[in-house]
Amino acid sequence: SAVISQKPSRDICQRGTSLTIQCQVDSQVTMMFWYRQQPGQSLTLIATANQGSEATYESGFVIDKFPISRPNLTFSTLTVSNMSPEDSSIYLCSVVVSGNTIYFGEGSWLTVV
Amino acid sequence: GENVEQHPSTLSVQEGDSAVIKCTYSDSASNYFPWYKQELGKRPQLIIDIRSNVGEKKDQRIAVTLNKTAKHFSLHITETQPEDSAVYFCAASGGPGGGNKLTFGTGTQLKVEL
Repeated sequence: SAVISQKPSRDICQRGTSLTIQCQVDSQVTMMFWYRQQPGQSLTLIATANQGSEATYESGFVIDKFPISRPNLTFSTLTVSNMSPEDSSIYLCSVVVSGNTIYFGEGSWLTVV
Repeated sequence: GENVEQHPSTLSVQEGDSAVIKCTYSDSASNYFPWYKQELGKRPQLIIDIRSNVGEKKDQRIAVTLNKTAKHFSLHITETQPEDSAVYFCAASGGPGGGNKLTFGTGTQLKVEL
């Protein structure tokens, strides 16, 4: 497995502000993803974080709202921009190790007020 | 794209009984099927997974079965304990264009009662 750390673990943010979430992995990984889990819901893929190039976004998610960086094979950031209460969610990064096996980071619990 | 359906949405069992959660998927090219357990306030934890070249996999009290023809897979928990109470998610990945992107089921709230 891999040790996947996220910062912040929890935050309360004001409407209209932006927050950047960091994901650090203890080993180099090729594939990194960002998921969102809205309250009481399942997980939805936001985007694939590509090292050295622009992220690949899923339908319904756009770069202006969720800019992603992936400067190297162990680190990525997700920014939630111009937040509204609807953005209150858990944001999770995930990595692929040993073929298809996918593990999640600790999660960042975001509340927008 | 892939679509994963999961049933039931809630499940209550008595301690010591077995619990079964079922999922179906739509993309016959999917080849990786993990199950995650999520306790309240925590991240999803991988508890078991199965690949399409295997029909069944077991790890102590947990087992997963896969029927590729019918495109469904199931999680079986035997001798349930109170600490098994959590939300369980199934997922699928591996179809063309999907790569390692997971499509999740809607989750099952399992409650193990004393």
